[in-house]
Amino acid sequence: GAVVSQHPSWVICKSGTSVKIECRSLDFQATTMFWYRQFPKQSLMLMATSNEGSKATYEQGVEKDKFLINHASLTLSTLTVTSAHPEDSSFYICSAQYGFYEQYFGPGTRLTVT
Amino acid sequence: SQKIEQNSEALNIQEGKTATLTCNYTNYSPAYLQWYRQDPGRGPVFLLLIRENEKEKRKERLKVTFDTTLKQSLFHITASQPADSATYLCALVRNTGNQFYFGTGTSLTVIP
Repeated sequence: GAVVSQHPSWVICKSGTSVKIECRSLDFQATTMFWYRQFPKQSLMLMATSNEGSKATYEQGVEKDKFLINHASLTLSTLTVTSAHPEDSSFYICSAQYGFYEQYFGPGTRLTVT
Repeated sequence: SQKIEQNSEALNIQEGKTATLTCNYTNYSPAYLQWYRQDPGRGPVFLLLIRENEKEKRKERLKVTFDTTLKQSLFHITASQPADSATYLCALVRNTGNQFYFGTGTSLTVIP
């Protein structure tokens, strides 16, 4: 149980285009989902907390107009990187809150912007 | 803000030995602390959780200790195997339940 999927697992896009990443909780409902970014050999950096039916809460320094988050249902949250640039290339990981204290992570999405 | 440090960036040990990883934190004490395993190009996988009022937790070959006085958690893998090679992350969670702070991770290599 407690499986989280992400789609796509990797994506290559051209500079200036937008990319949408989906995060799904497959066998449980998640009121809260999280989006992280990870650079090579670095730890996870929380970007935003996504709550179903309400606006996401962004961490300091994360541009909400650039990283659009939508949590339209209890099993799906999406992250859209708008007008992507090469510096947005990274590994994006989502997680879903399970119970009060547990998070289960998706397998991640590798974004490369050329 | 909360700062979490894990003992070293990389740790190499011989197969069969016990690997010990350290997680130190500053500022406030977390409600609980978690350890995750992350393989290259993959998301973290939950291993163990220990609450602030617990001293020790075990799961098969894994053991976690939590010392709120020292503000430190130790993660042990006994009888280590090459398959244990991965990056291990500690994460602190506040009482609110949804604020996770991750450490920088320790890359463990178990040498056959």
